[in-house]
Amino acid sequence: EDQVTQSPEALRLQEGESSSLNCSYTVSGLRGLFWYRQDPGKGPEFLFTLYSAGEEKEKERLKATLTKKESFLHITAPKPEDSATYLCAVQAMSNTGKLIFGQGTTLQVKP
Amino acid sequence: GAGVSQSPSNKVTEKGKDVELRCDPISGHTALYWYRQSLGQGLEFLIYFQGNSAPDKSGLPSDRFSAERTGGSVSTLTIQRTQQEDSAVYLCASSFEPYYEQYFGPGTRLTVT
Repeated sequence: EDQVTQSPEALRLQEGESSSLNCSYTVSGLRGLFWYRQDPGKGPEFLFTLYSAGEEKEKERLKATLTKKESFLHITAPKPEDSATYLCAVQAMSNTGKLIFGQGTTLQVKP
Repeated sequence: GAGVSQSPSNKVTEKGKDVELRCDPISGHTALYWYRQSLGQGLEFLIYFQGNSAPDKSGLPSDRFSAERTGGSVSTLTIQRTQQEDSAVYLCASSFEPYYEQYFGPGTRLTVT
């Protein structure tokens, strides 16, 4: 069964304190791994897609990396506006494009 | 351009009533997905449309749930005889083609009393 596990469930950082969020996955043939950001009361906002082990993508203070078993979302020198829930999802080769999501990591950055 | 839109944004209904939720995808996106987000369950896939066809309905939780898509655009998710466990946020997403990144709407919060 395809499965995604994110850790930690919640993370509190001081502004400027860098850290990483983890996404572990098991999937029957990975087509892509997706990172989304979700603010309270809103739909998920697309951040990155990673397709193969060793791939990295960056956007502002965020950098996503991928191995054969997990992905990391590194946050460098975070700001309060980075506070949100970060969702990881996988898409398997064998399915119709549906995403299987983890439970998310809720990040709070304090000024 | 316009993103994915959903209506209504909030819906409160009595147990046993039917509800319809609407999704307007991004223009030109052929793939459309419905997901449900509830506390403790995370985001769960419900159904996938390619054009007007639904090749994957595997996530629909019961036969009270149905969906259709017309004109390769607007989609409606219908829940018949609503139950309290149907209370959740229903999210719609669209993508240019299957396997591309999916863009989500703001969701419809459904509360069954």
